Amino acid sequence: DADVTQTPRNRITKTGKRIMLECSQTKGHDRMYWYRQDPGLGLRLIYYSFDVKDINKGEISDGYSVSRQAQAKFSLSLESAIPNQTALYFCATSDPGLAGGPHNEQFFGPGTRLTVL
Amino acid sequence: QKEVEQDPGPLSVPEGAIVSLNCTYSNSAFQYFMWYRQYSRKGPELLMYTYSSGNKEDGRFTAQVDKSSKYISLFIRDSQPSDSATYLCAMSDGGTSYGKLTFGQGTILTVHP
Repeated sequence: DADVTQTPRNRITKTGKRIMLECSQTKGHDRMYWYRQDPGLGLRLIYYSFDVKDINKGEISDGYSVSRQAQAKFSLSLESAIPNQTALYFCATSDPGLAGGPHNEQFFGPGTRLTVL
Repeated sequence: QKEVEQDPGPLSVPEGAIVSLNCTYSNSAFQYFMWYRQYSRKGPELLMYTYSSGNKEDGRFTAQVDKSSKYISLFIRDSQPSDSATYLCAMSDGGTSYGKLTFGQGTILTVHP
């Protein structure tokens, strides 16, 4: 089973609709992240959370909100979707105490492809 | 100017070629340098990482960091069609209180038989 799962994998919606993207992880990591990926722009950080009570804005948080329901769950919401939020969205986790690699290695889910018409 | 610059390509090479992927950066506080590989319709996965300056080799892959020039490279020897993917460089200042990674734009690589 995948360690980081995202639902849905694909979503088409209309301008103005509220959308929630969900992320679950079984890795036991405290840190979770939401990114969006656009062609030519790489991965840009939307929000991140270091534990259930800690939520922080990333570089492009406008138009988005998040909820950390539990250590294993981190949801991203688009309150009123607009076409320029069409992108590939990734959830990631990390554990700074992880042995054997860089302490800030991030583990990504498979992504959600969101289209806003 | 972006903190990390990476040529998005696309890059197309024949099987067996040596591939060179590069990133430049502006933040001198970066200490951890990583390369992620992303296959189509998948999330990125860590391929290699290097701490500070120097070289690191893993099979056909070599990562180089030149902090004096703020320049990192990934070399792929004897490239294979299975190497076709998007390669993203990522960097961190190593602060455990944040853990933020700054990514390059990604380079799309195609290795054709």
